[in-house]
Amino acid sequence: QVQLLQSGAEVKKPGASVKVSCKASGYTFTNYGIFWVRQAPGQGLEWMGWISGYNGNTKYAERFQARVTMTADTSTTTAYMELRNLRSDDTAVYYCARSGQTSLAAKWLDPWGQGTLVTVSS
Amino acid sequence: DIQMTQSPSSVSASVGDRVTISCRASHGLGTSLAWYQQKPGKAPNLLIFGASNLQSGVPSRFSGSGSGTDFTLTISSLQPEDFATYYCQQTNTFPLTFGGGSRVEIK
Repeated sequence: QVQLLQSGAEVKKPGASVKVSCKASGYTFTNYGIFWVRQAPGQGLEWMGWISGYNGNTKYAERFQARVTMTADTSTTTAYMELRNLRSDDTAVYYCARSGQTSLAAKWLDPWGQGTLVTVSS
Repeated sequence: DIQMTQSPSSVSASVGDRVTISCRASHGLGTSLAWYQQKPGKAPNLLIFGASNLQSGVPSRFSGSGSGTDFTLTISSLQPEDFATYYCQQTNTFPLTFGGGSRVEIK
């Protein structure tokens, strides 16, 4: 079945970077995009960006544009999200999720990875 | 950016009740709306896409309706496993945006 397996929890100091991985299986990686969404403790869902599994094209939320890089390795069917210059308010669970269908018009998210907790603390 | 507003933010209901959650968009979406269920400590799970299309494997007591700017998620007969937080998301255009969530609690 389709599965997204994310890397483990991270603890980082302010100003550091974190790179979260998302290993995809059970489908043709290049036919779908991957979305990244984060959720601060007790808060709602916040979209961070999208990467095409086909050609690596990206679309980032404006507030993360300067600090985030999303990549996709088709040889290992793994997507990555790197966030730089971390602040305490970046403490959150970070999720990857596949696009619901192959078309870029299908901007719903299914399925989701299990989430990766990133804690930013001095 | 398209703003998504959900109501209520919290609702108390009993098993067997009919529950409706509303989602309003700041711009017309056609039917480009999805609904998710999230339980504590778990990732969200897709329920509905295209405003009214039930995702495979989702119980038929869940239904979605609406178009343009006003949408509704209905749970026809609330079950114990349905106590969770529900989010709407516009799937029309980047940046994708979510509603603030509606928590369904046990009365």
